[in-house]
Amino acid sequence: EDQVTQSPEALRLQEGESSSLNCSYTVSGLRGLFWYRQDPGKGPEFLFTLYSAGEEKEKERLKATLTKKESFLHITAPKPEDSATYLCAVMTTDSWGKLQFGAGTQVVVTP
Amino acid sequence: DVKVTQSSRYLVKRTGEKVFLECVQDMDHENMFWYRQDPGLGLRLIYFSYDVKMKEKGDIPEGYSVSREKKERFSLILESASTNQTSMYLCASFGLSTDTQYFGPGTRLTVL
Repeated sequence: EDQVTQSPEALRLQEGESSSLNCSYTVSGLRGLFWYRQDPGKGPEFLFTLYSAGEEKEKERLKATLTKKESFLHITAPKPEDSATYLCAVMTTDSWGKLQFGAGTQVVVTP
Repeated sequence: DVKVTQSSRYLVKRTGEKVFLECVQDMDHENMFWYRQDPGLGLRLIYFSYDVKMKEKGDIPEGYSVSREKKERFSLILESASTNQTSMYLCASFGLSTDTQYFGPGTRLTVL
């Protein structure tokens, strides 16, 4: 059975304190791994798609990496506006268009 | 710029009412999805559609139905709303042109 597990469930950071979120997955065949950001009361906002092990993508203070078993979302020198829930999802080769989501990591960045 | 819109941000209904949630996308995407999101349970797939007039059950279809008469529009129907359907409902679309699921802003539904 396909599984997506995110850790930690919650993360509290001081402004400027870099950290990483983890997304581990067990799937039959990975087509893509997706990262989203979700603010309270809003829909998830797309951040990145990673397709193969070794791939990296960056956007401002966020950098996503992918291995054969997990993905990391690195937050470098976070600011309070980076506070959000970060969701990881996988698309498998036999479920085109359909995503399986992890439970998310809630990040709070304090000034 | 991609756009997925949902008919209401907030909705309050009574138990037993028929409820329609509408979703429209302007990206000419083939696939559309309805999720519900509850604290501690994450995003759960209710129904999805690969094409007009086609639908498939997701993980939690009980108590819901869907309609897709036009490519850009996907409706979620609660035939007889119950209090346990109080939730945040999210619509998303996916297509080859973007290779990504894009989400709408969500509808917070409260059933009294």
